[in-house]
Amino acid sequence: NAGVTQTPKFRVLKTGQSMTLLCAQDMNHEYMYWYRQDPGMGLRLIHYSVGEGTTAKGEVPDGYNVSRLKKQNFLLGLESAAPSQTSVYFCASSYSLGGLNTEAFFGQGTRLTVV
Amino acid sequence: AQSVTQLDSHVSVSEGTPVLLRCNYSSSYSPSLFWYVQHPNKGLQLLLKYTSAATLVKGINGFEAEFKKSETSFHLTKPSAHMSDAAEYFCVVSDGTNAGKSTFGDGTTLTVKP
Repeated sequence: NAGVTQTPKFRVLKTGQSMTLLCAQDMNHEYMYWYRQDPGMGLRLIHYSVGEGTTAKGEVPDGYNVSRLKKQNFLLGLESAAPSQTSVYFCASSYSLGGLNTEAFFGQGTRLTVV
Repeated sequence: AQSVTQLDSHVSVSEGTPVLLRCNYSSSYSPSLFWYVQHPNKGLQLLLKYTSAATLVKGINGFEAEFKKSETSFHLTKPSAHMSDAAEYFCVVSDGTNAGKSTFGDGTTLTVKP
């Protein structure tokens, strides 16, 4: 029972490099989310998806792009990494949008450092 | 609009003593409320949730929370702290507004002293 799996778990990037974070869930959830976690700021929503082929902007979308080509996968891309994107990134999925009446399931996180 | 405030950024207790982590929320509708726990270098795990059923909600690992509409609070409690409870705790509100998205509190770090 894998739940939500994120790859990679750690990454160091140089400023200006690009990368893609992969999130996979095996619970057949329609809704998926990407958050970033910074000290003292809780979790902030970057982008989310309400179903295959659809994405929407969250609270802090600038500098990121996402794609949901398959229901089980949600990709987060950084086109040109900046030091301000150093953070821990979490993917989550849920049965209903925004966790109304149901909880979200989280991956283990990706710790990204941009130097 | 929905919002959530965790009143303490850090709480320190001794092992075996009660735990109280405070959360106040704001919502124009009937919200769903959640507490998640995050152990170091781990993802978030659901502790408990309130979804308009019983106001006293029991969760995993002996935690419980009481929904108090008159006080707009959803405080998390545990009668006796264990060393393994040391973690960060997040209160989350979702009321169907904000385009259906949840709002996370800033987190409370719980330290348990031996």
